[in-house]
Amino acid sequence: TQLLEQSPQFLSIQEGENLTVYCNSSSVFSSLQWYRQEPGEGPVLLVTVVTGGEVKKLKRLTFQFGDARKDSSLHITAAQPGDTGLYLCAGHNNTDKLIFGTGTRLQVFP
Amino acid sequence: DTGVSQDPRHKITKRGQNVTFRCDPISEHNRLYWYRQTLGQGPEFLTYFQNEAQLEKSRLLSDRFSAERPKGSFSTLEIQRTEQGDSAMYLCASSFLGRPGTQYFGPGTRLLVL
Repeated sequence: TQLLEQSPQFLSIQEGENLTVYCNSSSVFSSLQWYRQEPGEGPVLLVTVVTGGEVKKLKRLTFQFGDARKDSSLHITAAQPGDTGLYLCAGHNNTDKLIFGTGTRLQVFP
Repeated sequence: DTGVSQDPRHKITKRGQNVTFRCDPISEHNRLYWYRQTLGQGPEFLTYFQNEAQLEKSRLLSDRFSAERPKGSFSTLEIQRTEQGDSAMYLCASSFLGRPGTQYFGPGTRLLVL
């Protein structure tokens, strides 16, 4: 069974702080997606990474795919209250379905 | 709005009743997926279609669940004889065949079985 472990599970920080969320697996994925989800809504796609070692930036968010394509990280610089939400990583391989991580719930206080 | 849409957004039903949910994918996408998400968990795969063909079903999809995509466009997910354990958020996603990992999700249908 493929598992994606995310850490930390919960994160509560002040506006302006930096943070990193980790997504780890023992399995290799052909691509890795990061989503943000707000209560009562569906996950919103933030990024897809496909190449080992790839780094993508989306404004204050930096995403990295591990060299072996088994892990990923999401770094947020100068967090804002609007960043509050559930962050989910999801791996894709040749089974065609997404395997979701356990989620990181982020709360940013003003 | 050209994103994935789902209807209804919320459904409350009594145990034993049948319910049907609809998903309209992004129009150019030929793959359509159904996931289920319970409180505090990430979404879990249920089934997916490539055009009108249902290519995979999870073991989570009991005999009471059936999904269709008759014309390769919208899809329906029906749950017969609902049970309280079916209460969850049902999510639909779509993707291009060439980029199956990049899945775009709809807003979900939240089901509560009383």
